[in-house]
Amino acid sequence: AAGVIQSPRHLIKEKRETATLKCYPIPRHDTVYWYQQGPGQDPQFLISFYEKMQSDKGSIPDRFSAQQFSDYHSELNMSSLELGDSALYFCASSLAGPPYEQYFGPGTRLTVT
Amino acid sequence: AQKVTQAQTEISVVEKEDVTLDCVYETRDTTYYLFWYKQPPSGELVFLIRRNSFDEQNEISGRYSWNFQKSTSSFNFTITASQVVDSAVYFCALSEVGGATNKLIFGTGTLLAVQP
Repeated sequence: AAGVIQSPRHLIKEKRETATLKCYPIPRHDTVYWYQQGPGQDPQFLISFYEKMQSDKGSIPDRFSAQQFSDYHSELNMSSLELGDSALYFCASSLAGPPYEQYFGPGTRLTVT
Repeated sequence: AQKVTQAQTEISVVEKEDVTLDCVYETRDTTYYLFWYKQPPSGELVFLIRRNSFDEQNEISGRYSWNFQKSTSSFNFTITASQVVDSAVYFCALSEVGGATNKLIFGTGTLLAVQP
């Protein structure tokens, strides 16, 4: 079965640079979520989309923005990167509704130097 | 406010032992969903189970079983006859119902180390 695809898997950036993370949800899933997981921490919700519209927002810095495109893939844009942005970034998708289980991608490991 | 507490930071067992991972949650809603995810050393998050607040039936799936008790706001996870491949961080998560999307609130996770 198709899973959530994330690219790139690893990314190294310097402080103050910009990064773009991509996510391709499972076909027919109409919701996308982004989470940030710092070293040794639990995943923290950043933002979610339903049918290409932003639905909910968590502790997402103003330097970050995200969108979902007409083909349902989503991108997380991160500007003015800081050392503290180094983390594993997960994208997850699910069906809208009850809530259903979210299926996670393999994550993008961002390292800011 | 929603909160998930996994008091056990790390657990170490020897293969074939049974182990229970505790999860206690807080929510003001009467309708909510609980989840368990596994994060092996490779880093991905693997869905294990989803349970809604109206279904208190315990569930068994192979060596895995879950005990949901609303009276104590707990959703504990037991692995029977543990194996080395069970070594991972296990997260309990809560999601409230409302809106088109429903974010997961994770506990801090329990690192399970199964020694051969």
